[in-house]
Amino acid sequence: QVHLEQSGAELKRPGASVKVSCKASGYTFIGYYIHWVRQAPGQGLEYMGWINPDSGGTDFIQKFQGRVTLTRDRSTSTAYMDMTRLTSDDTAVYFCARGPQGGNSWFDFWGQGTLVSVSS
Amino acid sequence: DIQLTQSPSTLSASVGDRVTITCRASQSISVWLAWYQQKPGKAPKLLIYKASSLQSGVPSRFSGSGSGTEFTLTISSLQPDDFATYFCQKYDSYSPWTFGQGTKVEIK
Repeated sequence: QVHLEQSGAELKRPGASVKVSCKASGYTFIGYYIHWVRQAPGQGLEYMGWINPDSGGTDFIQKFQGRVTLTRDRSTSTAYMDMTRLTSDDTAVYFCARGPQGGNSWFDFWGQGTLVSVSS
Repeated sequence: DIQLTQSPSTLSASVGDRVTITCRASQSISVWLAWYQQKPGKAPKLLIYKASSLQSGVPSRFSGSGSGTEFTLTISSLQPDDFATYFCQKYDSYSPWTFGQGTKVEIK
């Protein structure tokens, strides 16, 4: 069965970087885009960007460009979200999700979420 | 960018009630809309995609309709497990993915 397993919670200082992993299983990793979404405490869902695990191509919404890097390791079926220059506004749960229809898709399976807390 | 506005923000209902949530887009998005259910501390769960297609394994009491700029999610008979927050999402390839602000369904 399809499963996305994310790495554990992180506590970071302002200005630091964080790398969240998303390990896929139960399907062909390179066949489906991986998307990243975050949710600040008590807030709604905010879309961040996607990676095509086959080509490695990525795209982000403008506010994250230059600060977020999406990568993947095809040998381990794992996608990564790397965010630099963290501030308290980045405190959120970060989700990875699978898009079954390429670059124009809903999200059919989600990771369990990774809490990133940014505090001095 | 296209914005999604859900209404109501909060809805109080009883078990067995018929519940309707609306999602309005600021521009036409054809049928490129999905609905998700989220419970506290959990990831969202896909209910509906392409405006009206029921995701596999989702109970048939959930249904979606609409196209263009106005969409609805209907729960035909609210069950105890349905008390949660519901989000709509647009996913057309011409503009960024966007979520509605959410509708919390509470016990009346």
